[in-house]
Amino acid sequence: GAVVSQHPSWVICKSGTSVKIECRSLDFQATTMFWYRQFPKQSLMLMATSNEGSKATYEQGVEKDKFLINHASLTLSTLTVTSAHPEDSSFYICSARGDGGAGNEQFFGPGTRLTVL
Amino acid sequence: GDSVTQMEGPVTLSEEAFLTINCTYTATGYPSLFWYVQYPGEGLQLLLKATKADDKGSNKGFEATYRKETTSFHLEKGSVQVSDSAVYFCALKGTGGFKTIFGAGTRLFVKA
Repeated sequence: GAVVSQHPSWVICKSGTSVKIECRSLDFQATTMFWYRQFPKQSLMLMATSNEGSKATYEQGVEKDKFLINHASLTLSTLTVTSAHPEDSSFYICSARGDGGAGNEQFFGPGTRLTVL
Repeated sequence: GDSVTQMEGPVTLSEEAFLTINCTYTATGYPSLFWYVQYPGEGLQLLLKATKADDKGSNKGFEATYRKETTSFHLEKGSVQVSDSAVYFCALKGTGGFKTIFGAGTRLFVKA
């Protein structure tokens, strides 16, 4: 299947700093990308959906000014956690969906573990 | 709203044992149902899916049948292997839906 990569795979930062996570579709064009957050032993929670070249659609309760999403190209989306705090520590997973050859299936990245000290 | 409930883990089995991971859902209309698997250090991969009632999805020896009468989509495998150790997620996408709703995941450990 298609491959989605995330970078970094883990990051530790100090409280108050900002962290950027990249999500790339390696062998297909992702018209839509999804960002999820996963707490220990809990389900994946959808944070936002982004379409290439347009603003992201955030789920209820997700602060758009805190979690900045950019989907500037068909192969790259970024999630920036601004002014991170310990409660933002979590596992962040991106998913990409293409059209045409990749169909409507969602392909998932390996996730990024964020720890805020 | 739509939701997915799956059995809590971890589930620990010996090699060649029979596996069942229960999954039930709540949704209006006729959702599509999925099982995803996440191996250690990797992203979620689609394992199998079913798009309408009584459909059976199957892949790599795993099977799940879409049961609308019991709103269930239980995952089964007749003989597990150590390499099946992973976290399994049940998920649904509602009728005409765009978002995939996930269960909490069930971790499976298979001992040699």
